Amino acid sequence: AQKITQTQPGMFVQEKEAVTLDCTYDTSDPSYGLFWYKQPSSGEMIFLIYQGSYDQQNATEGRYSLNFQKARKSANLVISASQLGDSAMYFCAMREGSVGNNDMRFGAGTRLTVKP
Amino acid sequence: DGGITQSPKYLFRKEGQNVTLSCEQNLNHDAMYWYRQDPGQGLRLIYYSQIVNDFQKGDIAEGYSVSREKKESFPLTVTSAQKNPTAFYLCASSISTSVVDEQYFGPGTRLTVT
Repeated sequence: AQKITQTQPGMFVQEKEAVTLDCTYDTSDPSYGLFWYKQPSSGEMIFLIYQGSYDQQNATEGRYSLNFQKARKSANLVISASQLGDSAMYFCAMREGSVGNNDMRFGAGTRLTVKP
Repeated sequence: DGGITQSPKYLFRKEGQNVTLSCEQNLNHDAMYWYRQDPGQGLRLIYYSQIVNDFQKGDIAEGYSVSREKKESFPLTVTSAQKNPTAFYLCASSISTSVVDEQYFGPGTRLTVT
């Protein structure tokens, strides 16, 4: 079963505007971590932000914030004040905490294009 | 500078040949991973290793093999048994496999088999 779902294959946003990239996940493990990565055209994966299942507050890192809605099992990435350099693929990922289930699962990704 | 090195960036092989992709890290991380990425798709886990001399199969291990003889190194061999080996291969590492540990990625190797 798909553990991470990203329903937006592609998104467009105007430079300087905010954009939300959707991510829903599926787990019965009470302990898990959610991650967002950026993949520019060069191919390297760049870690952006982390949210733990027990964290009370939404994570923020500079222009990135995570809209964590635990009951809905969603972990949407919000990018504020978009820049041309934000154009890339964005992947949501999850790692579960139970013993023997230590790998990280990735969604299919969303391609973000920032328009000047 | 600490990081993950993958070499080469581009690799070309003839069908039927085994090929080994290199992955080295100097981050002192215990866990290392290999992913495959096909065009327009997400990452699929091939193998991962939590500690030296131990590794686990991921979702698509068939046709691949790995070794973890040293903490710093986790080479991936793409064997002739892999039906569609042409892909982008990413190596990653993390401090451990705890839920809080993000993975750090190398620059990737683009393998083309003809």
